[in-house]
Amino acid sequence: EDQVTQSPEALRLQEGESSSLNCSYTVSGLRGLFWYRQDPGKGPEFLFTLYSAGEEKEKERLKATLTKKESFLHITAPKPEDSATYLCAVQEQSGYSTLTFGKGTMLLVSP
Amino acid sequence: GAVVSQHPSRVICKSGTSVKIECRSLDFQATTMFWYRQFPKQSLMLMATSNEGSKATYEQGVEKDKFLINHASLTLSTLTVTSAHPEDSSFYICSASWTGYTEAFFGQGTRLTVV
Repeated sequence: EDQVTQSPEALRLQEGESSSLNCSYTVSGLRGLFWYRQDPGKGPEFLFTLYSAGEEKEKERLKATLTKKESFLHITAPKPEDSATYLCAVQEQSGYSTLTFGKGTMLLVSP
Repeated sequence: GAVVSQHPSRVICKSGTSVKIECRSLDFQATTMFWYRQFPKQSLMLMATSNEGSKATYEQGVEKDKFLINHASLTLSTLTVTSAHPEDSSFYICSASWTGYTEAFFGQGTRLTVV
């Protein structure tokens, strides 16, 4: 059974204070690892897909990296508008495109 | 990115009534649509997967007769919560994808409250 564990559950940062979110996963064969952003009362917004260990992707202040066991979402010099819950999900190679989600990390960036 | 529209965003219904939630892909043909349920501070739990023109595949523990899913066209899937009860109150989210594409795009979600 696929498992996705995100840490920390919640993270409070000051504006400009860089940090990283962790996503540890267990899957029999990884097709892709996904990062989403979710604002309160909204559906998840797609951020990145990573397919193989060593891969990195960047978007504005966010950078996602992938190893064989975990993924990190690095947030550089965050702003208050980066406050949201960040969700990690894995898709198995043999899966029917279904995603298994972690519980998310709730990020709060204070001005 | 692709746009998925979900309607309504909020609905309140009386216990025992049925509620229909729509999920539309606005700028692409969604060969596959997914329905999730999310409780506060919890992960998204997949309820069912539907392919256009086929019966939905439900996850273990999800009642097929309570959560009716229809995917009659490449741009529309509906979830009907039948004989709703307070324990069905939750945040329901749909997502859509197309054959051979790994990313799935999500709707805005529907907050269902059963009173």
